[in-house]
Amino acid sequence: EAGVAQSPRYKIIEKRQSVAFWCNPISGHATLYWYQQILGQGPKLLIQFQNNGVVDDSQLPKDRFSAERLKGVDSTLKIQPAKLEDSAVYLCASSFIRGWNYGYTFGSGTRLTVV
Amino acid sequence: DAKTTQPNSMESNEEEPVHLPCNHSTISGTDYIHWYRQLPSQGPEYVIHGLTSNVNNRMASLAIAEDRKSSTLILHRATLRDAAVYYCIPTNYGGSQGNLIFGKGTKLSVKP
Repeated sequence: EAGVAQSPRYKIIEKRQSVAFWCNPISGHATLYWYQQILGQGPKLLIQFQNNGVVDDSQLPKDRFSAERLKGVDSTLKIQPAKLEDSAVYLCASSFIRGWNYGYTFGSGTRLTVV
Repeated sequence: DAKTTQPNSMESNEEEPVHLPCNHSTISGTDYIHWYRQLPSQGPEYVIHGLTSNVNNRMASLAIAEDRKSSTLILHRATLRDAAVYYCIPTNYGGSQGNLIFGKGTKLSVKP
């Protein structure tokens, strides 16, 4: 089966600019996650969708980050305006059913550098 | 969520067994123990999970202590491709959030 697709693979922007990341999960996976991974740390959950509804966005910095999953399939994560500390890898993951913690499939991520 | 303690790093020789420990002394009775690994420049991938009994699959074995306060991921014959960061994650199967919470993990280096 095809994996989780993410684009772009790399992005370099200046601080205060905006950026958007795209994710296409595995077909049929109802749950979609966005994680942020800062260098040297484990991934940190930003937001979780169940179909097209938000289940958990408690760790999302809502003053600058937004995410949507229209039609319950692919998703977009946006940062506006970006700060230097947003430099990280942004990982998208999907799972068939919420709670199947052994069934996460991750994409390869988008590496964001803010200068 | 249960707190975990893992060594920051470990080294192994190729084709030798590797035992990756994890302490999770605050684990709840309904938490499964999941292991994921992250190869360089990739997203994490599932390795194995278990509740009480030891588990085996094609990638690894999971040995769970009787009191469930610790577990060990066993790679029977390490290969160069096994060099990765290994994350031990106790989490409630079907829990209210169903989320994976990652710590810093153990970085495994494999020498030829």
